Amino acid sequence: GESVGLHLPTLSVQEGDNSIINCAYSNSASDYFIWYKQESGKGPQFIIDIRSNMDKRQGQRVTVLLNKTVKHLSLQIAATQPGDSAVYFCAEKKTGRRALTFGSGTRLQVQP
Amino acid sequence: EPEVTQTPSHQVTQMGQEVILRCVPISNHLYFYWYRQILGQKVEFLVSFYNNEISEKSEIFDDQFSVERPDGSNFTLKIRSTKLEDSAMYFCATSQGEVTGELFFGEGSRLTVL
Repeated sequence: GESVGLHLPTLSVQEGDNSIINCAYSNSASDYFIWYKQESGKGPQFIIDIRSNMDKRQGQRVTVLLNKTVKHLSLQIAATQPGDSAVYFCAEKKTGRRALTFGSGTRLQVQP
Repeated sequence: EPEVTQTPSHQVTQMGQEVILRCVPISNHLYFYWYRQILGQKVEFLVSFYNNEISEKSEIFDDQFSVERPDGSNFTLKIRSTKLEDSAMYFCATSQGEVTGELFFGEGSRLTVL
């Protein structure tokens, strides 16, 4: 069965607000958890990753939080912009493997 | 900014025909991958390729699929006898290393099998 999944299929936010996209995972034997963004008609684009022994990692306007106790991953986008509208996938890289396992995706819609 | 390029962008073929999808990796990347995405669904791993051989493959990647890098530049995915259910977007991806999950994806090749 799927080991990486998303809570909500669509998230709608107002421009300038913060967005939080959530993901649950069931497999603890992973090295990395990763967020990808996919705009319409394009390939997935790497946003940020977090090593499994970390709790938090920040990038430019994005923060990823990893809660290993409840096996939960989230992506926070600060001051959401129209260009952030896309489908966001969480993915995991299992220990000893090169394959990424992707979740089902959350569509983020930014309202002007 | 260096990018992964894929051709063709869209291919329509008849069931049972052979298809070859091509990818030009980022020049200093050593690890190559094919993923596919059926319309509206999640991205699925097919195969990884390193040092001119397959390093990992999924159960989707059966005997109908093959990969090679014949000329040291193009990385190809061949589907020998296409089926209707092979219709999908096929993404090539590359990476410098194998440790993290940072892959660079191409724009994809849409395959439509009639």
